[in-house]
Amino acid sequence: DQQVKQNSPSLSVQEGRISILNCDYTNSMFDYFLWYKKYPAEGPTFLISISSIKDKNEDGRFTVFLNKSAKHLSLHIVPSQPGDSAVYFCAASKGSSNTGKLIFGQGTTLQVKP
Amino acid sequence: DTGVSQDPRHKITKRGQNVTFRCDPISEHNRLYWYRQTLGQGPEFLTYFQNEAQLEKSRLLSDRFSAERPKGSFSTLEIQRTEQGDSAMYLCASSKTGGGSPLHFGNGTRLTVT
Repeated sequence: DQQVKQNSPSLSVQEGRISILNCDYTNSMFDYFLWYKKYPAEGPTFLISISSIKDKNEDGRFTVFLNKSAKHLSLHIVPSQPGDSAVYFCAASKGSSNTGKLIFGQGTTLQVKP
Repeated sequence: DTGVSQDPRHKITKRGQNVTFRCDPISEHNRLYWYRQTLGQGPEFLTYFQNEAQLEKSRLLSDRFSAERPKGSFSTLEIQRTEQGDSAMYLCASSKTGGGSPLHFGNGTRLTVT
């Protein structure tokens, strides 16, 4: 039972363009969502988060959008840079005080071409 | 902030042997988590501690797995009678208590059971 799904295993974009990574979830009890980035041979690194009381959160080149009715979130990276090439995981949790017990998606590998 | 440290980075063992991994969290973090990641999947929650108390264990954590955090600082994860299905990346993460505190992951221990 995959409660958090990233249906695109990979994405390739040109440097300077927008990267859009998508994530769907099935459990309506999830109320806190995060994106992590992972380089090879390293652990995941926290990127950005959003609470269910918001529909958008922005941090520099990274913006996360949440559509609760569709149970869908997306990560926008603008402009994309070659250093953004990594695996991106979305994750969800129940309860903003329990944000360490995360349900992760399968990941999307982003390649940004120079 | 020296980050989360895990030891060893790699472990190769024969089926039936016992293995133990160590995790040193970020010093001011009182929550410590263990996750497991297999190829092509996102990390899966195994267990977590708040200080020295183990507060939750996933049903993924069979009787052969045991985790400890004896003084509320470092933690160990032991797998007894390893099986080939235990081959995975074992990730440790830590965080502060409180809503919205993201997990900081270590670089993991890659276990290969032959």
